[in-house]
Amino acid sequence: TQLLEQSPQFLSIQEGENLTVYCNSSSVFSSLQWYRQEPGEGPVLLVTVVTGGEVKKLKRLTFQFGDARKDSSLHITAAQPGDTGLYLCAGAEYGDKFYFGSGTKLNVKP
Amino acid sequence: DAGITQSPRHKVTETGTPVTLRCHQTENHRYMYWYRQDPGHGLRLIHYSYGVKDTDKGEVSDGYSVSRSKTEDFLLTLESATSSQTSVYFCAISGVLAGVDNEQFFGPGTRLTVL
Repeated sequence: TQLLEQSPQFLSIQEGENLTVYCNSSSVFSSLQWYRQEPGEGPVLLVTVVTGGEVKKLKRLTFQFGDARKDSSLHITAAQPGDTGLYLCAGAEYGDKFYFGSGTKLNVKP
Repeated sequence: DAGITQSPRHKVTETGTPVTLRCHQTENHRYMYWYRQDPGHGLRLIHYSYGVKDTDKGEVSDGYSVSRSKTEDFLLTLESATSSQTSVYFCAISGVLAGVDNEQFFGPGTRLTVL
């Protein structure tokens, strides 16, 4: 059983569209991370959120940590082909290491 | 880029043979991790190390062993490879285990095929 469930699993959109990816769990996390992975490479950290309700922005990417610290979302505004990749969330329970979700594969078509 | 390399990058082997994958870092980070990545499962932790000769199991440790005799090297061994161990294996390093300062830096991955 996956500790973190991501949805959707696959997303194919046109350049310029907006999208939201969700990361949900029944567990409470002390912190949650989002990574992006390109084909043939390892994941790269985008952001870490630690406070319930926290919102962080990274250019066109907006990350939100749920008030109850059980879920998170990633919103991309005006997606570009360079955003194509696998997006992974990872959560850490208190005093423990991070566990990864199953990932969302995003394809942005020009 | 964090100094982390994996070898080999690709390997094809037969069922029942032993296989060792190597992870090497030049960052002097305390924590090192081995993950496997399979479609639909994201990254699953196999084993991790919190210091020289200090290791612990992850969520999918059966069939795998690890060793860390030096800070910079973390070895993953499949004693007798099975087809279910066909996967892409990633090594990662971090300075802390969890929390806001934990950033895991990943290696380029090793694609292992067990026939």
